[in-house]
Amino acid sequence: EVQLLESGGRLVQPGESLRLSCAASGFTFSSYAMSWVRQAPGGRLEWVSVMSPNGVDTYYAGAVRGRFSVSRDIPKKTLFLQMNTLTLEDTAIYFCAKGVVRGALRAPFDFWGQGTVVTVSS
Amino acid sequence: VVLTQSPGTLSLSPGDRATLSCRASQDVTSSFLAWYQQKPGQSPRLLIYGVSSRATGIPDRFSGSGSGTDFTLTIDSLEPEDFAVYYCQQFASSPGTFGQGTKVEI
Repeated sequence: EVQLLESGGRLVQPGESLRLSCAASGFTFSSYAMSWVRQAPGGRLEWVSVMSPNGVDTYYAGAVRGRFSVSRDIPKKTLFLQMNTLTLEDTAIYFCAKGVVRGALRAPFDFWGQGTVVTVSS
Repeated sequence: VVLTQSPGTLSLSPGDRATLSCRASQDVTSSFLAWYQQKPGQSPRLLIYGVSSRATGIPDRFSGSGSGTDFTLTIDSLEPEDFAVYYCQQFASSPGTFGQGTKVEI
């Protein structure tokens, strides 16, 4: 059974950093694109970042490029999102999500975690 | 690519047909368009991808169509559990984008 479990979200002040984790199980972690998607209060989904199945290629939404960095630990089957210089606009639920097509970068998400809440406030 | 969904809210009754629209600011290759359902307090669930292919376990009352810049999700004969928010997503670019959502309410 595929499971994705995010952690690391908490209340931080503007300008601070935070690292989120997503522990994966039930599938071959290194064979699928993995993404971070966030949902701000009010509900709109925003695709934050994606890492290709081979881990070589990473892409970021314009709002976070240069501040956020995605990485992974294959033996631990864990995806990370390092978030620096956080702003009020980064307040959201952060989900990790698995691509549905093995080996493909461009794929929709067939499994999502339950999300971890990041609140940026002074 | 900006995705614009309409209407923002759809007020219907069980048994009705729901027709949801997703318009892209530029052509989206059909195979790179998907639809999700999200209920309060839950993560989104994949319904349709490749414009018209149903994800595993999705009932056949859900169908997708469209091409170019205009795409449609149709729900035939709404069930009580179908009242939720629906999002379209394009993944032709990396990372892709989502529409702002359509709420289907009773």
